[in-house]
Amino acid sequence: AQRVTQPEKLLSVFKGAPVELKCNYSYSGSPELFWYVQYSRQRLQLLLRHISRESIKGFTADLNKGETSFHLKKPFAQEEDSAMYYCALSSPSGGSYIPTFGRGTSLIVHP
Amino acid sequence: DSGVTQTPKHLITATGQRVTLRCSPRSGDLSVYWYQQSLDQGLQFLIQYYNGEERAKGNILERFSAQQFPDLHSELNLSSLELGDSALYFCASSASTGGRTDTQYFGPGTRLTVL
Repeated sequence: AQRVTQPEKLLSVFKGAPVELKCNYSYSGSPELFWYVQYSRQRLQLLLRHISRESIKGFTADLNKGETSFHLKKPFAQEEDSAMYYCALSSPSGGSYIPTFGRGTSLIVHP
Repeated sequence: DSGVTQTPKHLITATGQRVTLRCSPRSGDLSVYWYQQSLDQGLQFLIQYYNGEERAKGNILERFSAQQFPDLHSELNLSSLELGDSALYFCASSASTGGRTDTQYFGPGTRLTVL
């Protein structure tokens, strides 16, 4: 069965410091991975997805199949990056692909 | 607001009772997904409907049921409520049937408290 692990519940950094939010997955097929973000008092929303290979708000994520990881990185954290971040793996379920979410990492960026 | 809407925002009820949570998808989206988020389980997929038909089923209890109506809104019915059912219930929608790379758009959630 598929599994997504985010080993850190909380990550606390200062503004301008590099950030890496870890995500490891367990899946026998070809993975399709996402990062979702939830800012304070806002709804959960897509940040980026592996297939797009894009940088959103300065964040990037690289799929490492050897290490089964999809870590989210940003070279210089900003206070507005403070949020809850969820890694998700899309896998087949019935007639659909359904995301399995990690438990989430709370990122706090201090001024 | 053309985003996903959920009502009510908060619901407080007693054990043994039955409640109905409602979700309206984004304009044009045909799929609706229900998730339960509790402190000990994280975000768990319950069920998906596509254009009125059940499409995928996750860890949904037999006491829970859902449906999607012709106008595409969906309702999640929770019955014989237990203390452990207290959680945030999210609805999400997507345009298609649930493809591998589909983006899901989430609603604000309904916080259910069972006393």
